[in-house]
Amino acid sequence: GEQVEQRPPHLSVREGDSAVITCTYTDPNSYYFFWYKQEPGASLQLLMKVFSSTEINEGQGFTVLLNKKDKRLSLNLTAAHPGDSAAYFCAVRPNQGGSAKLIFGEGTKLTVSS
Amino acid sequence: DMKVTQMPRYLIKRMGENVLLECGQDMSHETMYWYRQDPGLGLQLIYISYDVDSNSEGDIPKGYRVSRKKREHFSLILDSAKTNQTSVYFCASSLSGDKYAEQFFGPGTRLTVL
Repeated sequence: GEQVEQRPPHLSVREGDSAVITCTYTDPNSYYFFWYKQEPGASLQLLMKVFSSTEINEGQGFTVLLNKKDKRLSLNLTAAHPGDSAAYFCAVRPNQGGSAKLIFGEGTKLTVSS
Repeated sequence: DMKVTQMPRYLIKRMGENVLLECGQDMSHETMYWYRQDPGLGLQLIYISYDVDSNSEGDIPKGYRVSRKKREHFSLILDSAKTNQTSVYFCASSLSGDKYAEQFFGPGTRLTVL
């Protein structure tokens, strides 16, 4: 079945720097991708969801890139600020007939220092 | 107000005691999930429920059981809790039949088994 690998597990950047988190997946037929943010001691909040038909998705202060050829999904936080300090998780919905499951990456703990 | 709630938020039990974790959602979502999250790790799926009395094992069901008697409520039961079940437990829900639907997460229950 689908497997998701997320790197790096820990990332420390200075305020104003960019931060890039990458997930690779194995099933070339996977079509739906999600990024979640988890602030310390809190629950997971959806950051963005993308179809595989759209390669670049821009949010507020971040960009999600999807490279279907390399089966790679990345989250790029531009000009990170301390409020971005959190754990980030990618998730992939397997394209297995009606599956409701999401396969989560193991997470990246991002620390942004001022 | 779209919300997933969990009770209790914090729980301390002794090994061998029974544990009941409750989850509710007000979005009429058919599909509900129980995950556990251990320090430094991602989410592990324990059980998934597709509707009332329609439950399936996730990736780590051993030592757990679930109950769903109403669409809006999903319970996780630990019969004779073990110390290695100390973890943070998250409930989630999603709209079934929509592959693009994200999962909405509750605030989590921090369970300590002594």
